[in-house]
Order: sequence, then C-alpha cells, then structure tokens
Amino acid sequence: NAGVTQTPKFRILKIGQSMTLQCTQDMNHNYMYWYRQDPGMGLKLIYYSVGAGITDKGEVPNGYNVSRSTTEDFPLRLELAAPSQTSVYFCASRDRGRLVYQPQHFGDGTRLSIL
Amino acid sequence: DQQVKQNSPSLSVQEGRISILNCDYTNSMFDYFLWYKKYPAEGPTFLISISSIKDKNEDGRFTVFLNKSAKHLSLHIVPSQPGDSAVYFCAATPGGYQKVTFGTGTKLQVIP
Repeated sequence: NAGVTQTPKFRILKIGQSMTLQCTQDMNHNYMYWYRQDPGMGLKLIYYSVGAGITDKGEVPNGYNVSRSTTEDFPLRLELAAPSQTSVYFCASRDRGRLVYQPQHFGDGTRLSIL
Repeated sequence: DQQVKQNSPSLSVQEGRISILNCDYTNSMFDYFLWYKKYPAEGPTFLISISSIKDKNEDGRFTVFLNKSAKHLSLHIVPSQPGDSAVYFCAATPGGYQKVTFGTGTKLQVIP
C-alpha cells in the first residue's frame, strides 16, 4: 500500500519554465489537496478537490493550475515559474469520513527551487 | 490573519519527561483539531485529533487537551522519547469538505 506518492522529489527550474508536479493516491480517497510550505511557515493550501472533475482554489492559487480527471491523480501545474514559487510542495488525500472526521495522508513532498 | 498559532518555534525536553506543545486558535467555527508530526524530508503524518465536543483525547503516550473557552489546545507526550524529536503541527477545521488550517509548527528535541 503506497499511500500518497509524489514525483519528482527534487527539481530545479529556471525562471519562466513550466512543470507538472505529480501526485497519485491508491486509497480511493475522494478529497485531495496541494500545499506549499515555506521555511518557518505552516502549510498553505494551493488547490483542493472533492472528487474527480471538481477542483477549487485554496489560499494561494496564483501561478498554479490543477486538474482531477481520475480519483487517483491530482497533478499541479506551474506555467511560468517565478522565484517566489521556490518551496516544498505537499500533496495530501483523505477519505470523506461520514461519521468521524478523517485526517489527511501526506506524500513526502517535492522540493522545488526556481533560479 | 493567522487563525491557528503555535507561539513556541522550538522546545527541548529530557528523555522520560513530559513534553507539552501548545496551540491557540481564533476561529469559533473550528470543530476538529489535529496534530501532525513531521520528520525532515518526509511528509506530515497524523498523530491524534479531538472533536470540539470533547475536552480530552488519549492515544498511548499522546494526549490532546482542548479548552474551547480559551480557544487553546495542547499536546502532551509522556514519557518523551528521542524518536519523538520532530516538528509538530497543530491544525484545525470546521469539518466536512472545508479546508484545514495549519499552525507554523513547533520543533521538539528530546535529549537522551
């Protein structure tokens, strides 16, 4: 049982380049999330999805895009990389939890540097 | 607008003693509170949670206390072990599909 898998683990981009951070989960969770963590800060929500075909903006969506064509996959796209997007990115998923609130399961993160 | 605050960036405790990590929140709509633990180069992992209808939840060495009137929660680890050394994040949510708000974390060091 792999849980939440993120690729790549590390990446260096040049300003203006684009890339897709991959996230897949094998727990059949409805909800998926993308966060970024800057040094000394908490996790900031970028985008989230409550099911295939449904996505919504979080606190810091500018400069990012997402899609959710399947339950398992939730890729995050950076179109024009900027130095301010240097961060560690975490993907998470959780079950809907009808009776009890279910916690999020996180991937191990993608460390992205933009130079 | 920091709705979840962890005012202590770091904490050092001797092995075997109690570790107490604190968290304050401002949003009265928060209904569930969670603690996550994070090791370097790994993602956060869920540790323990509490619903707003309770004031205490216990799981082995870990206990979370909730004081709704003070909008304060704390995580107690007894006894502390060197393997507990990590960053601990407090988080809160109104529940359902609504987003989870995270604190900035407290780095716990347990000294052997």
